[in-house]
Amino acid sequence: DTGVSQNPRHKITKRGQNVTFRCDPISEHNRLYWYRQTLGQGPEFLTYFQNEAQLEKSRLLSDRFSAERPKGSFSTLEIQRTEQGDSAMYLCASSRTGGNQPQHFGDGTRLSIL
Amino acid sequence: QQQVKQSPQSLIVQKGGISIINCAYENTAFDYFPWYQQFPGKGPALLIAIRPDVSEKKEGRFTISFNKSAKQFSLHIMDSQPGDSATYFCAASLSGANNLFFGTGTRLTVIP
Repeated sequence: DTGVSQNPRHKITKRGQNVTFRCDPISEHNRLYWYRQTLGQGPEFLTYFQNEAQLEKSRLLSDRFSAERPKGSFSTLEIQRTEQGDSAMYLCASSRTGGNQPQHFGDGTRLSIL
Repeated sequence: QQQVKQSPQSLIVQKGGISIINCAYENTAFDYFPWYQQFPGKGPALLIAIRPDVSEKKEGRFTISFNKSAKQFSLHIMDSQPGDSATYFCAASLSGANNLFFGTGTRLTVIP
């Protein structure tokens, strides 16, 4: 169990640029989740995958946000035309399939928009 | 709308004391209540979790107390240590759903 891995750890970009983050889940976990955490707040759910299928995406913050998990292993989260308000920590978690399985989080990617 | 309300926002406890963090929820369909610990620059780490069919769960120095009728649950950290200084989040989820609803966090400081 090597844990959930996220890259990069930090991303600084100018407003209007596109950014992409990668998440590698725990290998035997079929479910993968993306959350956003702003300063002083708890994580906020964005979307999740069961294998390669994206089963919930209504909570993505806008149509500038998209996520993929093409082969059911790693996932990417892309933000197009970044805005100042996108500055946050983006967290990935994974779990086994089944009701209320524990979600294990990575250490996140911190995005700063200049 | 905050689905899970957490208090206090911050807490200072002497080493060896008991730390108590409280959470309340409105949605009676929630059926899974985990607590996470987060250190600066790290992701949340699962501490302990409870389901509403039990009123208490203990793991080492950490205990969850659950009051279904009051729709409240709390985390007790016994014999608090400086290494417990972190931010603690309660959360809740619906049966069959997969997204966790988090509280706003409690920053715990344990003074030596």
